Amino acid sequence: GQQLNQSPQSMFIQEGEDVSMNCTSSSIFNTWLWYKQDPGEGPVLLIALYKAGELTSNGRLTAQFGITRKDSFLNISASIPSDVGIYFCAGRLGNEKLTFGTGTRLTIIP
Amino acid sequence: GAVVSQHPSWVICKSGTSVKIECRSLDFQATTMFWYRQFPKQSLMLMATSNEGSKATYEQGVEKDKFLINHASLTLSTLTVTSAHPEDSSFYICSAQTSGERNEQFFGPGTRLTVL
Repeated sequence: GQQLNQSPQSMFIQEGEDVSMNCTSSSIFNTWLWYKQDPGEGPVLLIALYKAGELTSNGRLTAQFGITRKDSFLNISASIPSDVGIYFCAGRLGNEKLTFGTGTRLTIIP
Repeated sequence: GAVVSQHPSWVICKSGTSVKIECRSLDFQATTMFWYRQFPKQSLMLMATSNEGSKATYEQGVEKDKFLINHASLTLSTLTVTSAHPEDSSFYICSAQTSGERNEQFFGPGTRLTVL
């Protein structure tokens, strides 16, 4: 099935650094979701976006719904060890099924 | 957020046996649930959409007779992998969708299936 293009594919950062990742689509969505998945677990919803241009924060996380409705980004400020994991974006148009991104694997270098 | 549980969390079975995985929405009713499959280091791939009281909708390439889905109540969907083979070994994840304007999807913790 279709997948969204997520970048970067992986990131290696030091604790305390800020993180930025994005997701792009060839088609428009009216909902963007960001999930985090820990090893051996299901994805956990971090942030949901419902309007083009919307900027939403959840603690150290900030996500934006691109004005073109074809992209979204997620920022994590002042990373900590528990931020390690795989981050997935997902988009949806109307009542259609979710389309998932390819994932960004975040690793924190000690 | 809403809570979705899955049972079992892991299962090991012999080739040829059938395995049933349960997905429950614990604090909300879900007319729609989804079943995904995830291979190592890959994204989630939707297998089927489970609708309460009606037949599931399968994605292209997913055999409906092999992956039986039953959504008998607003809080429970089951996936049965029939006559499992080693290539069916994977991480199976369900999600349940809330009703209303926003239709958020909440995921279960996943079930690791290993077929010997």
